[in-house]
Amino acid sequence: GAVVSQHPSRVICKSGTSVKIECRSLDFQATTMFWYRQFPKQSLMLMATSNEGSKATYEQGVEKDKFLINHASLTLSTLTVTSAHPEDSSFYICSASRQDNSPLHFGNGTRLTVT
Amino acid sequence: KQEVTQIPAALSVPEGENLVLNCSFTDSAIYNLQWFRQDPGKGLTSLLLIQSSQREQTSGRLNASLDKSSGRSTLYIAASQPGDSATYLCAVRPGIYNQGGKLIFGQGTELSVKP
Repeated sequence: GAVVSQHPSRVICKSGTSVKIECRSLDFQATTMFWYRQFPKQSLMLMATSNEGSKATYEQGVEKDKFLINHASLTLSTLTVTSAHPEDSSFYICSASRQDNSPLHFGNGTRLTVT
Repeated sequence: KQEVTQIPAALSVPEGENLVLNCSFTDSAIYNLQWFRQDPGKGLTSLLLIQSSQREQTSGRLNASLDKSSGRSTLYIAASQPGDSATYLCAVRPGIYNQGGKLIFGQGTELSVKP
């Protein structure tokens, strides 16, 4: 069964509004979770590394003030897309692993559409 | 900078054929390599994980090989079935030491198995 749960699976919002996406590790504690973004017909690109109890680490070119990450507990990380624009429409996927060298497990993703 | 390339981008085969998907990476300093399956609009399912010290991994009809020195990995699918139709993604965890689990993905191979 799923070990990483992501919610919602699909969301449509208007330009200028904010959207929060949740990522939960279901039966293990994840001190680190990862947020990826995937445009249609393209591969996944890492946006940021979410660290429990500390600030997230963002990849080059990702605006930290636009994509707010909070990792308040060992089983939950949230990504908030602030002041969303149509170009933010994409597929967002989170991942986590049980241990450092074990397979990364991914959530089912969130399809964000900004109108 | 590590880059991951997958060939072919798309592949269509009749049911029952054996097939090979290719993945290459530019920097041989990797911690591990992972193959994923992605169904349309869905998240990723981990298929096989090969640690840098390993040469291959097998799971059912799937076999993945790793040749770090040449920067290549292959995913072999035996006796393909229509249910195998999906996009297959190859991803490497860069660095000879564990650096937190971030992955670099290839663009994927879209596989279609015809009944």
